[in-house]
Amino acid sequence: SAVISQKPSRDICQRGTSLTIQCQVDSQVTMMFWYRQQPGQSLTLIATANQGSEATYESGFVIDKFPISRPNLTFSTLTVSNMSPEDSSIYLCSVTQTSGSYNEQFFGPGTRLTVL
Amino acid sequence: DQQVKQNSPSLSVQEGRISILNCDYTNSMFDYFLWYKKYPAEGPTFLISISSIKDKNEDGRFTVFLNKSAKHLSLHIVPSQPGDSAVYFCAARISGTYKYIFGTGTRLKVLA
Repeated sequence: SAVISQKPSRDICQRGTSLTIQCQVDSQVTMMFWYRQQPGQSLTLIATANQGSEATYESGFVIDKFPISRPNLTFSTLTVSNMSPEDSSIYLCSVTQTSGSYNEQFFGPGTRLTVL
Repeated sequence: DQQVKQNSPSLSVQEGRISILNCDYTNSMFDYFLWYKKYPAEGPTFLISISSIKDKNEDGRFTVFLNKSAKHLSLHIVPSQPGDSAVYFCAARISGTYKYIFGTGTRLKVLA
């Protein structure tokens, strides 16, 4: 499986500021995704990071709040903009890899964000 | 509307016994199901998967069962080990997409 790293692993931020999270994969992958896991909740897909084009956002998530970059097939960033305490979550990068006729999804270690 | 449900938030099992984690879903358009294990401060780790055309998949101590008519999925771990203590998530893929819907997780504690 792909090895996925994220930076930072955790951060504590002030309300109104922005944080950019980096995701690096050790191999080229077609599909990269960003998820959020709020306390006590399941993982929720924020967006699909598309290489060379704008990210595809899920319902309830917008580009102004969560701008995403994907400059190549191994790297992506997610920015959490104008943060509020409600943005306190674990943010996870994930990729898909093909296994037989199916695509399995693998996750990075996550970034634990606390907004004061 | 929670399309994938894990109704047991926690489960305790004695070491060596069987752990059974359950997952129910409502969307008949799901075609592929995965189980993940998550330790604190780590990302989810892929465990085992099953396609909707099968009813069982086995990998070592882990077996996943799928009952399509009941829209029910279960993960069996036997024998359970203390290192299995973690939060387990089931996830279902919407057919024709790369999109997965996750359950809320079940915290498994294996007692030595």
